[in-house]
Amino acid sequence: IVLTQSPGTLSLSPGERVTLSCRASQSVSSSYLAWYQQKPGLAPRLLIYGASSRAADTPDRFSGRGAGTDFTLTISRLEPEDSAVYYCQQYGSVLVTFGGGSKVEIK
Amino acid sequence: QLQQSGPGLVKPSQTLSLTCVISGDSVSSTSVDWSWIRQSPTRGLEWLGRTYYRSKWFTDSAVSVRGRISINADTSKNQVSLLLKSVTPEDTAVYYCASGPGDNVRYFRHWGQGTLVTVSS
Repeated sequence: IVLTQSPGTLSLSPGERVTLSCRASQSVSSSYLAWYQQKPGLAPRLLIYGASSRAADTPDRFSGRGAGTDFTLTISRLEPEDSAVYYCQQYGSVLVTFGGGSKVEIK
Repeated sequence: QLQQSGPGLVKPSQTLSLTCVISGDSVSSTSVDWSWIRQSPTRGLEWLGRTYYRSKWFTDSAVSVRGRISINADTSKNQVSLLLKSVTPEDTAVYYCASGPGDNVRYFRHWGQGTLVTVSS
């Protein structure tokens, strides 16, 4: 399953709302989709799994939704520390795949 | 916590070897699986394979590296290892070990710090 993320890069101000898209080439079974945040020089960090469940230490300004082929990650109020690349990952098929990432820059 | 180690430079045609020491969990846990993932500018994030214990050891791997990859668990050292044979410059990447709930629930909750491996003579 190929995951296409958009936009590629966006630049926003603190406090703004941002929605990132992840579109799958075929339906992701059981909404087995996760989102990760990656900052330079660090490993990805799990934010969301099962399309909408927050990981233990994920702030509640992050939310995920979607099903089938269309998924979104929303950051309700951007904080300076949210500057990062965000990846989606599907685990509904035998071969786990990742999207190409969306880079969020803070003005 | 996952702590990786291994050489950062490997010559073409040789074998890449990395180790991931596990703390806070057992490599033999029946509710976790242990994966290797790599990241490069050209290939992005790519899952390579995993091992897990469910009354016996299982492994599976991505088609892209099948036949070259070996993932093993060492219960005496509570660690997993990655061997990737016959490497080429295309295998240059940051390699991560990662763990997740396992079975069909294959997201990655914990990650190692990453090891940049360069394949060059």
